[in-house]
Amino acid sequence: KQEVTQIPAALSVPEGENLVLNCSFTDSAIYNLQWFRQDPGKGLTSLLLIQSSQREQTSGRLNASLDKSSGRSTLYIAASQPGDSATYLCAVLGSARQLTFGSGTQLTVLP
Amino acid sequence: NAGVTQTPKFRVLKTGQSMTLLCAQDMNHEYMYWYRQDPGMGLRLIHYSVGEGTTAKGEVPDGYNVSRLKKQNFLLGLESAAPSQTSVYFCASSPGTEAFFGQGTRLTVV
Repeated sequence: KQEVTQIPAALSVPEGENLVLNCSFTDSAIYNLQWFRQDPGKGLTSLLLIQSSQREQTSGRLNASLDKSSGRSTLYIAASQPGDSATYLCAVLGSARQLTFGSGTQLTVLP
Repeated sequence: NAGVTQTPKFRVLKTGQSMTLLCAQDMNHEYMYWYRQDPGMGLRLIHYSVGEGTTAKGEVPDGYNVSRLKKQNFLLGLESAAPSQTSVYFCASSPGTEAFFGQGTRLTVV
């Protein structure tokens, strides 16, 4: 059974800091890993998708890396802004086509 | 292009009542998923489907049934609602790569 863990559960940083969110998974037989953002009371917004054959993906101030063999992914956010405050979720698509989520990291960027 | 649409958006049920949540996608995706999200927790998979006519159990399937009679629709049923099923339900579809989510259904069972 695939298990996905996100550390830390919550993070508070001052505006302008660079930060890293972590995601680990127990079964390395995955098709891809996806990072999402969720604002309070809202749905999920896809941020980045990394295929199993890729090492990283970038979109604007966001960079996601994947080390499939060690079962780890990181989401790097550069020059954080108060508008980045949200919960960030990672999800892995496993061999049975199950999409398994971590419990998320709640990020607060202080002005 | 509507993407993934969930119906209804809000619902209050009495214990023991039944209801069906509808997830519709217009992207011709093979894979569809139903999740529940409880406060402070991530999304937990209830059931999923890898194609029309197929369904499979996820992490928390008890108390729920699903059907995928048409490729574009994935229905989640609660036969006898319980207060423990109070949650926000999310549906997703995927072509096998990126997953796309609906806006959620907030269900309260009293």
